[in-house]
Amino acid sequence: DSGVTQTPKHLITATGQRVTLRCSPRSGDLSVYWYQQSLDQGLQFLIQYYNGEERAKGNILERFSAQQFPDLHSELNLSPLELGDSALYFCASSVGATSGYGELFFGEGSRLTVL
Amino acid sequence: QKEVEQDPGPLSVPEGAIVSLNCTYSNSAFQYFMWYRQYSRKGPELLMYTYSSGNKEDGRFTAQVDKSSKYISLFIRDSQPSDSATYLCAMSGAGGTSYGKLTFGQGTILTVHP
Repeated sequence: DSGVTQTPKHLITATGQRVTLRCSPRSGDLSVYWYQQSLDQGLQFLIQYYNGEERAKGNILERFSAQQFPDLHSELNLSPLELGDSALYFCASSVGATSGYGELFFGEGSRLTVL
Repeated sequence: QKEVEQDPGPLSVPEGAIVSLNCTYSNSAFQYFMWYRQYSRKGPELLMYTYSSGNKEDGRFTAQVDKSSKYISLFIRDSQPSDSATYLCAMSGAGGTSYGKLTFGQGTILTVHP
C-alpha cells in the first residue's frame, strides 16, 4: 500500500458527461501529480500541484482541470468527456517538488470508461 | 517518435533466468533514470533510480545508464514468478519544473514461469 488513496476505483459514464476523480496524498506529502495511462499512449504526465499551487503542466487537455485543496487532496475534473478519455488515471505524491530527486508514490488508479 | 522507446514484449522466461530490459531515449536533458514495476490492477512502484550515468545494484536488480548512447537497462538475476509484472522505465530532467514530471516508456510485460 503506497498510502495514496484514489476514488472512485472504477467509473463508467457517457460522452459529454463530467467526472471528478479524487486523490488523497500520503501523509506529509505536499506534491500531487496526475498521470493518464492508456494502451496506445502509455503513462503520460498531466499536471503537478505543490502545496496548493500548480507547478508543472504536461499533456493535459483543455477539457480537463485540476486543483489541490488546503488539506492537500486533489481533484481532476474531466468535461465534456469523449470516448478517447477512457483510461486509467493515476495520482502520485511526493514530499518535495523543487530539487534533486524524490520518489513518487502512486495510487491504484481510477479506471474511467466512457461509452 | 517518442522521447522514450521501450520494447513492450511480452517477455516470457523460466524461473531462475537472467532478464534484461532496455530503453532508449532521445532527450539529452534527462538526468534521472528510474525503473518502475507495475502489477496487474495496481499503480507503478519504484524499483530503482540512477542519477546520470553508471550502475546501481540492489539485491537481484541492477540498473545501468549509458548517457553517451542514451540507453538504460535493468537486469534481474535469478528471476522469480513474483517478478511477473510490467516494467516501466521512466526519466526526468534535473530540478525545477522537471521534478516529478516523468516520461515513461511503454512498459515491458514480463512473465516468469515456474
